[in-house]
Amino acid sequence: DQQVKQNSPSLSVQEGRISILNCDYTNSMFDYFLWYKKYPAEGPTFLISISSIKDKNEDGRFTVFLNKSAKHLSLHIVPSQPGDSAVYFCAARMNTGFQKLVFGTGTRLLVSP
Amino acid sequence: NAGVTQTPKFQVLKTGQSMTLQCAQDMNHEYMSWYRQDPGMGLRLIHYSVGAGITDQGEVPNGYNVSRSTTEDFPLRLLSAAPSQTSVYFCASSLGVARRSYEQYFGPGTRLTVT
Repeated sequence: DQQVKQNSPSLSVQEGRISILNCDYTNSMFDYFLWYKKYPAEGPTFLISISSIKDKNEDGRFTVFLNKSAKHLSLHIVPSQPGDSAVYFCAARMNTGFQKLVFGTGTRLLVSP
Repeated sequence: NAGVTQTPKFQVLKTGQSMTLQCAQDMNHEYMSWYRQDPGMGLRLIHYSVGAGITDQGEVPNGYNVSRSTTEDFPLRLLSAAPSQTSVYFCASSLGVARRSYEQYFGPGTRLTVT
């Protein structure tokens, strides 16, 4: 049972345009959402997060939007750069003691010059 | 700071062999965890630890053991390797419960193949 879903395995955009990566979740108990970025042969690195009590969080070129009623979040990258080409994982935190993270399957973003 | 380090980077095992994947962090983080990444499955939690001497099972613990005798080290042991354990393994650490434990720092991974 995939509680966090990233339905697009890949996305291609041109440099300078907007990249929009989507994530859906099913569990209402998630209280925090995160995006991680992963380059080949490296571990994931934390990118940006949002609390379930907010609907938007911005950090430079990266903005995450949360729609709780739709159980949907998205990551916007504006403007996209070739160095943004990576796999992006959406993750959700269950606030139960250890605060486990549940990860989506990832979306591979390719930004072409 | 080296961050989170993992050894080895690559390993090939025969079915039935045992081995230990090493993980160490130098950030004095309380929480450490092990994930595996398989195609189309995202990262799945194997075992985790909230402090030295305390470990617990994650989502996919079968076939793996862990221990946490120090804050810095969190080795993952494969007891009797099976082809289903072919995967990329990531170790992660994070600050404790009161301090942004959700921002996990990952090691570079160990790619394991079991034949």
